Amino acid sequence: AQSVAQPEDQVNVAEGNPLTVKCTYSVSGNPYLFWYVQYPNRGLQFLLKYITGDNLVKGSYGFEAEFNKSQTSFHLKKPSALVSDSALYFCAVRDPVAGRRALTFGSGTRLQVQP
Amino acid sequence: SQTIHQWPATLVQPVGSPLSLECTVEGTSNPNLYWYRQAAGRGLQLLFYSVGIGQISSEVPQNLSASRPQDRQFILSSKKLLLSDSGFYLCAWSAWDNHNEQFFGPGTRLTVL
Repeated sequence: AQSVAQPEDQVNVAEGNPLTVKCTYSVSGNPYLFWYVQYPNRGLQFLLKYITGDNLVKGSYGFEAEFNKSQTSFHLKKPSALVSDSALYFCAVRDPVAGRRALTFGSGTRLQVQP
Repeated sequence: SQTIHQWPATLVQPVGSPLSLECTVEGTSNPNLYWYRQAAGRGLQLLFYSVGIGQISSEVPQNLSASRPQDRQFILSSKKLLLSDSGFYLCAWSAWDNHNEQFFGPGTRLTVL
């Protein structure tokens, strides 16, 4: 079975400071990993993905994430947070070996960037 | 370019009434389609996915059903709504040969009273 955990319900950071949103996963094979962002009353927007290759993945809006196989983590990062980054962030995983076609999402982490 | 539509945007229904939410995708053929529910503004729960017309996979047993009458149309239904069906319903699509990158619609907020 595939699963993903986001251990923090909320992350608070001051504008201009670096931010990290944590994600750990569990799959039987090599994972496909994703980050999505959701603004209030909106659908999810794709940020970035890791399928294979370089462990550091760069995505939209200056976000990046690092795949760490030994720690089974895929933390989302940004060097300098903006107030407009405040939103709900979801990590997701898919295990292609298991044949499961759908993504499994974490419970979400609310990012609050203070001016 | 591809776009995904959902309607209605909001819906208030009494307990016991039927439900029909519609999702359509434009600009792509033979997409994979998904219905998710998001309760209380947090986690997403996959309800159904479809890889083709008439092919529906259910992820969790519940009061809801899904149908795909056309290639780019995905419908979420219920014969009798429960209070617990309230939530934010999101439709998503991915390319037929790529289940990885999913694109979400704007969502439908359902309130059951």
